Amino acid sequence: EVQLVESGGGLVQPGGSLRLSCAASGFTFRGYWMHWVRQAPGKGLVWVSRINRDGTITTDADSVKGRFTISRDNAKNTLYLQMNSLRVEDTAVYYCARAPYCSGGTCYADYWGQGTLVTVSS
Amino acid sequence: DIQMTQSPSSLSASVGDRVTITCRASQSISSYLNWYQQKPGKAPKLLIYAASTLQSGVPSRFSGSGSGTDFALTISTLQPEDFATYYCQQSYSSPLTFGGGTKVEIK
Repeated sequence: EVQLVESGGGLVQPGGSLRLSCAASGFTFRGYWMHWVRQAPGKGLVWVSRINRDGTITTDADSVKGRFTISRDNAKNTLYLQMNSLRVEDTAVYYCARAPYCSGGTCYADYWGQGTLVTVSS
Repeated sequence: DIQMTQSPSSLSASVGDRVTITCRASQSISSYLNWYQQKPGKAPKLLIYAASTLQSGVPSRFSGSGSGTDFALTISTLQPEDFATYYCQQSYSSPLTFGGGTKVEIK
């Protein structure tokens, strides 16, 4: 069974840092692109970042560029999101998701984790 | 960035109704359009990718159509479990943008 389990969320002050993890199981992790998508309370989905199968290609939304870094450890079957210089507007549930393909325009997330809540507040 | 506009933002329907949700892209995205369903407190679920390809395990009452800038998600016969919020997402170019969502509520 495919499982994606996020962790690392919590309450942090503006300007602070947090590292999210997404533990993958039930599939060959290194065979998939991975994404982070967030959802502010009561709002819609917003794509944050993606990483290719071997971690050599990453793409980020402009809103997090220079502050967030996506990475992965295929030996540990784990995806990460390092979040620095956090802002109040980064408050959201953060989901990790896997994508079988993410090239040539075809890119869809077929399994999602349950999410971890990040609250940025003083 | 490519803007995705869904309409309506919400709708009320009855079990058994045929429901259509539309999604418009601010520029042509070929067929690089995905649809997701999300229930309250739950993670999104992939319904359709590449505009019209049904994800494995998704009931056949869901269908997708369109290309270029105009797309639609149709539920042929609404079931109780289909009351949820639906999002379109373009994957033509980065950033991968979502529509604002369409909430399908019980009439």
